[in-house]
Amino acid sequence: EAGVVQSPRYKIIEKKQPVAFWCNPISGHNTLYWYRQNLGQGPELLIRYENEEAVDDSQLPKDRFSAERLKGVDSTLKIQPAELGDSAVYLCASSELRQTGELFFGEGSRLTVL
Amino acid sequence: GENVEQHPSTLSVQEGDSAVIKCTYSDSASNYFPWYKQELGKGPQLIIDIRSNVGEKKDQRIAVTLNKTAKHFSLHITETQPEDSAVYFCAALGFTGNQFYFGTGTSLTVIP
Repeated sequence: EAGVVQSPRYKIIEKKQPVAFWCNPISGHNTLYWYRQNLGQGPELLIRYENEEAVDDSQLPKDRFSAERLKGVDSTLKIQPAELGDSAVYLCASSELRQTGELFFGEGSRLTVL
Repeated sequence: GENVEQHPSTLSVQEGDSAVIKCTYSDSASNYFPWYKQELGKGPQLIIDIRSNVGEKKDQRIAVTLNKTAKHFSLHITETQPEDSAVYFCAALGFTGNQFYFGTGTSLTVIP
């Protein structure tokens, strides 16, 4: 069974440019998470979806970040415009049941903003 | 919200020795505590977890203990091997918010 798939794995852009990351969760997983992981830190939640509904986006910087999960399957996270401080690894994770709790992570998208 | 603290930030052990990583949490309503291993360039992978209704869980060389009264939990790795070298994260799942709070990670190096 395929795991959580993310693309691109690496992205280098100049500040003020836009960037988008894509995530395809494990088939059948109705909960999808986007996390940001700064160097030497643990993942921090940006947004959580239950099917196509964003149920927790309190940590998402809405002035420049946006996300969507059309049809409740794959998801896109966008940053526009990017700032130097956005350099990080963006991790997507999915889970099957809220009660189970187990998260399955993708390999992440490493963003470098110059 | 929940606050998870993790210690130590770095840990070096000789191959065959044991390694212990400790985490504390603040929200007494948290009820699920997973541990993740993250290798360089990869996403975190679940290695063991424990729920608040048990005090200890073992899986071969890995064990996790939970003290609900003191609000701390620990990861124990015995007979360490070089392939255990990675960054380990603890996490706590809040009962109400369904949000995972992660520790800051422990970089474990097993010296052959």
